[in-house]
Amino acid sequence: QVTLRESGPALVKPTQTLTLICTFSGFSLSTRGMCISWIRQPPGKALEWLARIDWDDDKFYSASLKTRLTISKDTSKNQVVLTMTNMDPVDTATYYCARIQSVGDAFDNWGQGTLVTVS
Amino acid sequence: IVLTQSPDFQSVTPKEKVTITCRASQSISRSLHWYRQKPDQSPELLIKYASQSISGVPSRFSGSGSGTDFTLTINSLEAEDAAVYFCHQTNGLPETFGQGTKLEIK
Repeated sequence: QVTLRESGPALVKPTQTLTLICTFSGFSLSTRGMCISWIRQPPGKALEWLARIDWDDDKFYSASLKTRLTISKDTSKNQVVLTMTNMDPVDTATYYCARIQSVGDAFDNWGQGTLVTVS
Repeated sequence: IVLTQSPDFQSVTPKEKVTITCRASQSISRSLHWYRQKPDQSPELLIKYASQSISGVPSRFSGSGSGTDFTLTINSLEAEDAAVYFCHQTNGLPETFGQGTKLEIK
């Protein structure tokens, strides 16, 4: 059974750095083709793709947030970490991690999301 | 790539047939996926690559299209389909989502 779970602070202050962890089970991020992305959703708004890390440690970022984001993985712990610097109230959102089984494929499994409020 | 969904909102009755469209600002071949997000839940995958069905998803959901124009069809709507529906493209980075279509069940 594939599961993903996001964890991190519910509240951060403006200018602080946010660190979110996606802990997953039921698959290995070492498997060829496997990827994990971070997506966020401000309250009542649409989804926004943030970053992706691939099985071979390739990393990709949203152009508009690239300077603020860092994604990394710890394969032995089955975790993917996203850091976002210089948080602002407009970054208030539910942050999701989601799995892709091959580049270009759909998100077939999502975490439950974690709401981060910047205030 | 900008994805524009229509309508933004629709109020429908149970057993009705619903069609949601997603238009891409440039051709994305068939790299278009559909999700349903029930209230206070994470999105769930309904259709991938425009028309491929997903194991465990009810057969009333189907998709079509290619290039720039795509359609999600829900046959015989059920109460549990009250949700927001999103399209999502993976033809190129950054991946993008449509703004969402909210379905209300009368």
